[in-house]
Amino acid sequence: NAGVTQTPKFQVLKTGQSMTLQCAQDMNHNSMYWYRQDPGMGLRLIYYSASEGTTDKGEVPNGYNVSRLNKREFSLRLESAAPSQTSVYFCATIPDGSYEQYFGPGTRLTVT
Amino acid sequence: AQSVSQHNHHVILSEAASLELGCNYSYGGTVNLFWYVQYPGQHLQLLLKYFSGDPLVKGIKGFEAEFIKSKFSFNLRKPSVQWSDTAEYFCAAVSGGSYIPTFGRGTSLIVHP
Repeated sequence: NAGVTQTPKFQVLKTGQSMTLQCAQDMNHNSMYWYRQDPGMGLRLIYYSASEGTTDKGEVPNGYNVSRLNKREFSLRLESAAPSQTSVYFCATIPDGSYEQYFGPGTRLTVT
Repeated sequence: AQSVSQHNHHVILSEAASLELGCNYSYGGTVNLFWYVQYPGQHLQLLLKYFSGDPLVKGIKGFEAEFIKSKFSFNLRKPSVQWSDTAEYFCAAVSGGSYIPTFGRGTSLIVHP
């Protein structure tokens, strides 16, 4: 099992460009999450999805959109990237009936 | 709203020193507590967890944590740290019935050989 995978690992964007961060899991978990990690700020929840076809805003959703088209995949889209979105993005899942999270390897995004 | 506070933002220790990292949460009901570790350049991974039962929880690599309900605390401890424990440590809480974790801001631990 690959667990939680994320692509790409690194990305550099210019202000105003768009991109989609991909996350996939092979553990058959319903709940999936997108976080951003910034120095001194810990992990902040952007969006989450309790099940296929449902999504909800987290603490810092502005400037992002998400899509949960199937159980495996949960994508995060930046429509018009801004330097404030420079961060490391982590996808995570929680197994049904549990509360511990499984994290992907992260995507390091730089917006210039 | 639930919150998690980690009191130590940066800790620097020498090898063999003892470690205690503080974590307090604000939620008063049933709560599930976690410590995650992030080694340099890697993703977060579970160090230990508390759901119920014995309030002293043992995790991987010799770490343990004690849940003290009256103090709303879940402090992480290790009797003797190693250079390889250099990492960032995150405390997290999930209230019972919710699947939305709340994370602390993290503690950066540097262990000098």
